[in-house]
Amino acid sequence: EVQLVESGGGLVQPGGSLRLSCAASGFTVSSNYMSWVRQAPGKGLEWVSVIYSGGSTYYADSVKGRFTISRDNSKNTLYLQMNSLRAEDTAVYYCARGATMVRGVISYWGQGTLVTVSS
Amino acid sequence: DIVMTQSPDSLAVSLGERATINCKSSQSVLYSSNNKNYLAWYQQKPGQPPKLLIYWASTRESGVPDRFSGSGSGTDFTLTISSLQAEDVAVYYCQQYYSTPQVTFGPGTKVDIK
Repeated sequence: EVQLVESGGGLVQPGGSLRLSCAASGFTVSSNYMSWVRQAPGKGLEWVSVIYSGGSTYYADSVKGRFTISRDNSKNTLYLQMNSLRAEDTAVYYCARGATMVRGVISYWGQGTLVTVSS
Repeated sequence: DIVMTQSPDSLAVSLGERATINCKSSQSVLYSSNNKNYLAWYQQKPGQPPKLLIYWASTRESGVPDRFSGSGSGTDFTLTISSLQAEDVAVYYCQQYYSTPQVTFGPGTKVDIK
């Protein structure tokens, strides 16, 4: 069974940093494309970043240069390093696995971890 | 960026009745080389993560009830729930993946019971 469990969220001051983790089970992170998608309170879904099986990474313009996606193959874990955080980064961050045969579609989602950026 | 819009923002439908949600993309998401529309639909129930319902505009994900159907092509798409059930109360999002990796979602449509 595919499972994605996020951790690392919390309250952080503007300008601060946070690292989110996503522990995966039931599949191999390095063999799939993995994404982070966020949802501000009461708002819609916003794609944040993706890492492909080959290691290529991509970012939404809103986080480029501040966020870094990575993975630890030995731990089967996905990460999102978030620096220079802003109030508008406040959201639930979902870890997600892409559909095997349909690049761009998300077939599995974690339960999410809440990041609050506030002084 | 491809901008996705949805209508209506919300709707209330009686149990057993049809619910129809529209989604429009700012440019075509039909890829001419394979004649596929790069459009997906997700369902998000309160307090839960989204769940994939449909991809390629009309292909149901495994396990999704057949009362859910998708249609449309190019820039205009529709998600239909043929006979609304109580468990279908949720927010529904369309998503384009034509411009992968830069995918974008619609703003969502909330479906309630009348």
